[in-house]
Amino acid sequence: QKEVEQNSGPLSVPEGAIASLNCTYSDRVSQSFFWYRQYSGKSPELIMSIYSNGDKEDGRFTAQLNKASQYVSLLIRDSQPSDSATYLCAVFQAGTALIFGKGTTLSVSS
Amino acid sequence: GAVVSQHPSWVICKSGTSVKIECRSLDFQATTMFWYRQFPKQSLMLMATSNEGSKATYEQGVEKDKFLINHASLTLSTLTVTSAHPEDSSFYICSARDWASVSSYNEQFFGPGTRLTVL
Repeated sequence: QKEVEQNSGPLSVPEGAIASLNCTYSDRVSQSFFWYRQYSGKSPELIMSIYSNGDKEDGRFTAQLNKASQYVSLLIRDSQPSDSATYLCAVFQAGTALIFGKGTTLSVSS
Repeated sequence: GAVVSQHPSWVICKSGTSVKIECRSLDFQATTMFWYRQFPKQSLMLMATSNEGSKATYEQGVEKDKFLINHASLTLSTLTVTSAHPEDSSFYICSARDWASVSSYNEQFFGPGTRLTVL
């Protein structure tokens, strides 16, 4: 069974700190990896995509992918209270819908 | 990113009635759309994959006769909840892929969701 695992949290960090969110996946043939942010009562919003090993940076967000370890992470630098949300890790394989983890709840305190 | 809309954003109906939810890709053609359901404080649950011009593929445990999906065009998919009951009350979210995009990521974009309340 294809699985995407995330720590449900909550992960609590102070404003200005780095938040580190982690995700592991079970199927080695996974091709693309995504991080979505979901505010309470809203639909998921795509914030990062990555498909090559290494780091990908976009503003305060950095996605890291290690296919050998089947591990993908999201770093949020200079965390803000507005970053408080649930972060969903998702994995793509050809011919299927995205496989989502259950999400990690992040709380940034001011 | 690509834009996906949903209508209505919320709906309240009586038990036993049917409700139709529309999902549109506004600036791209989506040969494949996905329907998810999310109960409070729970994760997204994929209900079905909708392919333009063909029958939808339903996930295990999802009643295809209760949740009717039609994907008649490259920009529109509809989900009809037939004979809705209070236990169908949930947040329904559609999603679509822009296969024509030059991106290698196969990104999937979500609509804003429809909150269904069945009385």
